[in-house]
Amino acid sequence: DGGITQSPKYLFRKEGQNVTLSCEQNLNHDAMYWYRQDPGQGLRLIYYSQIVNDFQKGDIAEGYSVSREKKESFPLTVTSAQKNPTAFYLCASSIDWTSGYTGELFFGEGSRLTVL
Amino acid sequence: QQQVKQSPQSLIVQKGGISIINCAYENTAFDYFPWYQQFPGKGPALLIAIRPDVSEKKEGRFTISFNKSAKQFSLHIMDSQPGDSATYFCAAPLYGNKLVFGAGTILRVKS
Repeated sequence: DGGITQSPKYLFRKEGQNVTLSCEQNLNHDAMYWYRQDPGQGLRLIYYSQIVNDFQKGDIAEGYSVSREKKESFPLTVTSAQKNPTAFYLCASSIDWTSGYTGELFFGEGSRLTVL
Repeated sequence: QQQVKQSPQSLIVQKGGISIINCAYENTAFDYFPWYQQFPGKGPALLIAIRPDVSEKKEGRFTISFNKSAKQFSLHIMDSQPGDSATYFCAAPLYGNKLVFGAGTILRVKS
């Protein structure tokens, strides 16, 4: 089945540690996204990538980093510089960049990060 | 930063009733307004979307109504069922050609 796979589903981190969240898609989509979900704040865009080897900061990029070396993969690193990293992280993709705001976003099942 | 304002934050409806969720936006680059549905522990999924060459779109029990002059759109769920209990997000393509989401509405349908 085609879709987006995020791992791990749950992750615990000590303060001061970096952690990387995995996102893999087999939909052959060009564009990929990372969102952060907090209660009562909706989905906020962290980073997005329109095409392989390219990525751009979203609205809340501070303390995060990404890479897009392969079309299928868009990992997110939550660094120790992120002041409030405990959240639900969602990876998404769309057929192309235009479809990201005029068509359908396909989401993974999310990764819940808790900082102890 | 432009926003999409969604209300109510939470909603409790009796089985068979009508659920109504509203969204307001500032300015859009494109007329495309989707609603996403999210069940607990899952990612959101596209429920229904409107491209307002029409003011209303219906798919089964779900209807989007759009008022361009008021910059508002709403989701109506007719004959609400317990299986509809989920979080609903509206969205609009705002600045930078990016989809901006509302804060979400937690819907609970009581049986």
